[in-house]
Amino acid sequence: DSGVTQTPKHLITATGQRVTLRCSPRSGDLSVYWYQQSLDQGLQFLIQYYNGEERAKGNILERFSAQQFPDLHSELNLSSLELGDSALYFCASSVDSGGVSQFNEQFFGPGTRLTVL
Amino acid sequence: AQKITQTQPGMFVQEKEAVTLDCTYDTSDQSYGLFWYKQPSSGEMIFLIYQGSYDEQNATEGRYSLNFQKARKSANLVISASQLGDSAMYFCAMRESSMDSSYKLIFGSGTRLLVRP
Repeated sequence: DSGVTQTPKHLITATGQRVTLRCSPRSGDLSVYWYQQSLDQGLQFLIQYYNGEERAKGNILERFSAQQFPDLHSELNLSSLELGDSALYFCASSVDSGGVSQFNEQFFGPGTRLTVL
Repeated sequence: AQKITQTQPGMFVQEKEAVTLDCTYDTSDQSYGLFWYKQPSSGEMIFLIYQGSYDEQNATEGRYSLNFQKARKSANLVISASQLGDSAMYFCAMRESSMDSSYKLIFGSGTRLLVRP
């Protein structure tokens, strides 16, 4: 158990709908990362929040948005869903201290498997 | 742009034998970190081993070792004494410095390892 929780574990919805994925980081971790794992794109970074503020954006669609709340949990909102959004969405948390070559393990949650029909 | 290449989509290994999973990376930075993650069929991401760019010794964690060849920009994972439970997808990932101070991970496409009894 990584200490990172994600809900729900599975989500089945229809095209055009909107869903919210939730992530609670490990206690003490200020950074939350969202990753998407799909068959065609592989594992790719979507967005990162650090202590409530957006720090970095990756290949995140405009239909997707995220936020991190004062209690440090994060939500990823996916709207106007398309078939191609079906994927496993991971949240990871990390302390993120020291330099980039310093060991800062990213602890991954179990993922939310989204199926868009 | 940073890039991780895993050239082996799939590999077989006999139980109790050693296996090497290849990973090459591309970066112009001097400071970076390299990770290996295991993803079993259940889907979770399990951290295996880490190598910082300034680490002079190759990283080892139990049966896992990382063959770090900095000049060749390779970070191959060596699993000794393979077990049936090692059958999984293995991802190499890199973190390098960025303008946004993010410690996001860039993943390779993965190698699926099957251990034969």
